[in-house]
Amino acid sequence: EAGVTQFPSHSVIEKGQTVTLRCDPISGHDNLYWYRRVMGKEIKFLLHFVKESKQDESGMPNNRFLAERTGGTYSTLKVQPAELEDSGVYFCASSPIGTAQETQYFGPGTRLLVL
Amino acid sequence: GQSLEQPSEVTAVEGAIVQINCTYQTSGFYGLSWYQQHDGGAPTFLSYNALDGLEETGRFSSFLSRSDSYGYLLLQELQMKDSASYFCAVGTGGFKTIFGAGTRLFVKA
Repeated sequence: EAGVTQFPSHSVIEKGQTVTLRCDPISGHDNLYWYRRVMGKEIKFLLHFVKESKQDESGMPNNRFLAERTGGTYSTLKVQPAELEDSGVYFCASSPIGTAQETQYFGPGTRLLVL
Repeated sequence: GQSLEQPSEVTAVEGAIVQINCTYQTSGFYGLSWYQQHDGGAPTFLSYNALDGLEETGRFSSFLSRSDSYGYLLLQELQMKDSASYFCAVGTGGFKTIFGAGTRLFVKA
């Protein structure tokens, strides 16, 4: 079974540019989460999808961040325009419906550096 | 606010036992999980406690005391490959999970 995949693995962009991160969850996993970790800090919750519906987006920093999950399969997280403080590692995780919410399968992350 | 506290670093020698503590302060509580992350890799689920007590999975055990808002991860017979970051996480309900800042474990020969 393929794990959670994320693309790209690394991205270096300039302040003001746009970046789109992609996450492909494990096939059949209806729950999809986005997280961000800034160097040395906690893994911070951004939002949660069940299929194509956003269930909780309380962790999204501001309206420069837009997450979508069309068709309930893969998800994208767009940052537009990017700011310096957006740098960090963006993780995606997925889990099947009905499992304990803490049992999540993480992708390897996208390392974003905004210069 | 909601927070989880865990030590930033722990060092131990091969073959030893190490305990990583986690205290939490959250608005809701459904359970405490532990994840392991090697440098550059994905966090990997290790264990989950919803009820008080000890859960054992091979060399790893996890403990929870809900009345004390406290848990720990116990790693026995440490191996070099156990060098990694360990995160505790609390499910607060509504599928929102709060993570700690992680504990870097260094295992020395």
